[in-house]
Amino acid sequence: AQKVTQAQTEISVVEKEDVTLDCVYETRDTTYYLFWYKQPPSGELVFLIRRNSFDEQNEISGRYSWNFQKSTSSFNFTITASQVVDSAVYFCALSSSYNTDKLIFGTGTRLQVFP
Amino acid sequence: DGGITQSPKYLFRKEGQNVTLSCEQNLNHDAMYWYRQDPGQGLRLIYYSQIVNDFQKGDIAEGYSVSREKKESFPLTVTSAQKNPTAFYLCASRNLDRQYTEAFFGQGTRLTVV
Repeated sequence: AQKVTQAQTEISVVEKEDVTLDCVYETRDTTYYLFWYKQPPSGELVFLIRRNSFDEQNEISGRYSWNFQKSTSSFNFTITASQVVDSAVYFCALSSSYNTDKLIFGTGTRLQVFP
Repeated sequence: DGGITQSPKYLFRKEGQNVTLSCEQNLNHDAMYWYRQDPGQGLRLIYYSQIVNDFQKGDIAEGYSVSREKKESFPLTVTSAQKNPTAFYLCASRNLDRQYTEAFFGQGTRLTVV
């Protein structure tokens, strides 16, 4: 079975704080991809990053960074120096080699950044 | 601009009525998807299509129907058989020329049963 767990339902921080969104996944596949999406209040999901199961290098993009650890089946997302515009729902998703048509989503984490 | 257009943004349905949600993309993507989003449940796949005139059921297809007569269009009909249709519906598309490409999403349609 494949599953994505985002245990943090809602996180509130004050602007300029760092915040980490957790994502834990389950899969028996050896080849899989992990994704993070942002859903702002407007509703559409915006793609942030894709990571394959063979690449455990951490990635940094501006204030965003991602920590992929196969040993703990986690793909955590950190926002450094958060801003009000970061307020959104963030989804982690999993796609495997056996069923590349399906994206399995977590339940999402709502991040609120207060000024 | 290239993208995915969903219409309408808000839709109200009386019980017992069928309603159709529109999804159009001009990204020339092969695959299109419909997801349903409920509070606290993430996104669940309703139907998807990889090619014109072909589509597959997702995890929660009961009470829904789709068609794919054109590459650009993938309308979703919510039938009266869907017992709890009030939700946020998201359409997505993806290019299939490489594995594991990301999906692009529309802005969604919020359906409410009145």
